[in-house]
Amino acid sequence: KQEVTQIPAALSVPEGENLVLNCSFTDSAIYNLQWFRQDPGKGLTSLLLIQSSQREQTSGRLNASLDKSSGRSTLYIAASQPGDSATYLCASRNRDDKIIFGKGTRLHILP
Amino acid sequence: GAVVSQHPSWVICKSGTSVKIECRSLDFQATTMFWYRQFPKQSLMLMATSNEGSKATYEQGVEKDKFLINHASLTLSTLTVTSAHPEDSSFYICSADWTGGGIAGELFFGEGSRLTVL
Repeated sequence: KQEVTQIPAALSVPEGENLVLNCSFTDSAIYNLQWFRQDPGKGLTSLLLIQSSQREQTSGRLNASLDKSSGRSTLYIAASQPGDSATYLCASRNRDDKIIFGKGTRLHILP
Repeated sequence: GAVVSQHPSWVICKSGTSVKIECRSLDFQATTMFWYRQFPKQSLMLMATSNEGSKATYEQGVEKDKFLINHASLTLSTLTVTSAHPEDSSFYICSADWTGGGIAGELFFGEGSRLTVL
């Protein structure tokens, strides 16, 4: 059974710093891995999706990597801004089409 | 990206009543939609997978008679919480599978519906 873990659970960093959020999964036979952002009381906004054949995806200040062999994905945020404060969730989509979410990392960017 | 709209965004109801939540894909057709439940500061728990034109597939522990799902068209899925009780109070979120035009298997989410049962 796939398990997705996100570390750390919470993170506070000063504005302007680069940071890395981690996501690990136990079953490497995934179809894709997707990163989301969730603001309090809101739905999820898709940030990046990495197909199993890809190693990374970039969008603006965000870069997500995927290493299936080690069961890891990272979300890199460059030059963090207060507006980046949110909960970031990763989710793996497995070959049986099950989508498993991590518990998220609550990110707080200090002005 | 694709847009998924959820309505209502919040609802308060009395115990014993039924509440319907709608999930619409606005600019694409979704043969598959997913319904999730989220407790405060917790991750999303998949409740059921909704397939257009067929019965929904419920996850273990989710009462199908309690949470009625209907996916009558390629752009609309509904979740009805029947005979709601205070323990059903939660944040319900839907997502739709976008398989056309670009990235296969990308999920897009609605804004969520907060249900409070008095």
